[in-house]
Amino acid sequence: DAGVIQSPRHEVTEMGQEVTLRCKPISGHDYLFWYRQTMMRGLELLIYFNNNVPIDDSGMPEDRFSAKMPNASFSTLKIQPSEPRDSAVYFCASSWGSHTDTQYFGPGTRLTVL
Amino acid sequence: DAKTTQPNSMESNEEEPVHLPCNHSTISGTDYIHWYRQLPSQGPEYVIHGLTSNVNNRMASLAIAEDRKSSTLILHRATLRDAAVYYCILTNFGNEKLTFGTGTRLTIIP
Repeated sequence: DAGVIQSPRHEVTEMGQEVTLRCKPISGHDYLFWYRQTMMRGLELLIYFNNNVPIDDSGMPEDRFSAKMPNASFSTLKIQPSEPRDSAVYFCASSWGSHTDTQYFGPGTRLTVL
Repeated sequence: DAKTTQPNSMESNEEEPVHLPCNHSTISGTDYIHWYRQLPSQGPEYVIHGLTSNVNNRMASLAIAEDRKSSTLILHRATLRDAAVYYCILTNFGNEKLTFGTGTRLTIIP
């Protein structure tokens, strides 16, 4: 398996623009997680899905952020409009399920908002 | 949620064993202890996890105190590639997410 795939790997955009980050989880995994990492706040969970259904979105910063999982093999994280403080590395992870299962992380998308 | 406490940083010599401590004094009886690490410019990766008994795998060993209020990740023979930030995390049924603290930044001295 290729592991968790994220695209793009790097994104540079201007403030106010829409940004869409993409994630393909490992086949067969029921859970998908979106994390964000910044120097100030470290690694923090934004949202996670179980069987394509959002379970906990309490980490989503504000209405500018939205995440979808239309099917088991694809998820998107959208920011609109983007702001400079959204600059961070965004990681997607997937797992089979329970709290004892390993989460496998993608390589991340480095987002820079100018 | 139970919280974990780790030293901010540690150093070790290459080819020596490394013991990374984690305190979790408010751990519940059903919390699992996980360790992940993050190499520079990479996503976190799983290292090991356990509940009560000590655990071994090809990467490391996990020693869990009898009262479970602390645990230690043991790298038996550190290499330069083990330089990373190590995170100790607790999970429980119904709480599948990983809550990352600040972790321990491990530096390996050649």
